[in-house]
Amino acid sequence: GENVEQHPSTLSVQEGDSAVIKCTYSDSASNYFPWYKQELGKRPQLIIDIRSNVGEKKDQRIAVTLNKTAKHFSLHITETQPEDSAVYFCAAPRGQGYALNFGKGTSLLVTP
Amino acid sequence: EAGVVQSPRYKIIEKKQPVAFWCNPISGHNTLYWYLQNLGQGPELLIRYENEEAVDDSQLPKDRFSAERLKGVDSTLKIQPAELGDSAVYLCASSLGPSGRSEQFFGPGTRLTVL
Repeated sequence: GENVEQHPSTLSVQEGDSAVIKCTYSDSASNYFPWYKQELGKRPQLIIDIRSNVGEKKDQRIAVTLNKTAKHFSLHITETQPEDSAVYFCAAPRGQGYALNFGKGTSLLVTP
Repeated sequence: EAGVVQSPRYKIIEKKQPVAFWCNPISGHNTLYWYLQNLGQGPELLIRYENEEAVDDSQLPKDRFSAERLKGVDSTLKIQPAELGDSAVYLCASSLGPSGRSEQFFGPGTRLTVL
């Protein structure tokens, strides 16, 4: 989407290392920030999301942080495993209640 | 509970031919979305329905694309005539409510190849 930028486009880490993916958005009215994981040939699936009233959310090995002032949010994966290899998309709505604009994706490769 | 269902999963057609995709959302989901996903890119919204009303179709190329959601449940997306550049995966998604408040669930997609 035009108002969501995602970096890096590719990321290669060794098993056990951490991976961080960053996104910025432009619409200050955005209040919901999901992250989707898409394995090759499969549908995108939600892995974690955060709402604008919190700064961080954690679910086992994955966490998302949000900085509303700077308009950026990040996905953190710790203790990466080969099965974490996939394309990850961040997204933000174009306004409250609007459909999501997706970033261009980050292809994560976790090597054993 | 069944997820979002789409058919067909794959479609190969020649340019200038028509094509249609079908989506059955999760039961009870009022909001339905059609996205286009090009290789190596994120999904891009084509149209969003709230029940049977198309509330966001600003990115739908209306000269060749059309969509409908009769009775506010199933939806079809049509392309007529198809062009080479339409080759992509067409994803349908649904959510209980507007995207800012509830998770979007995606279907498996229809991979369209236009020759």
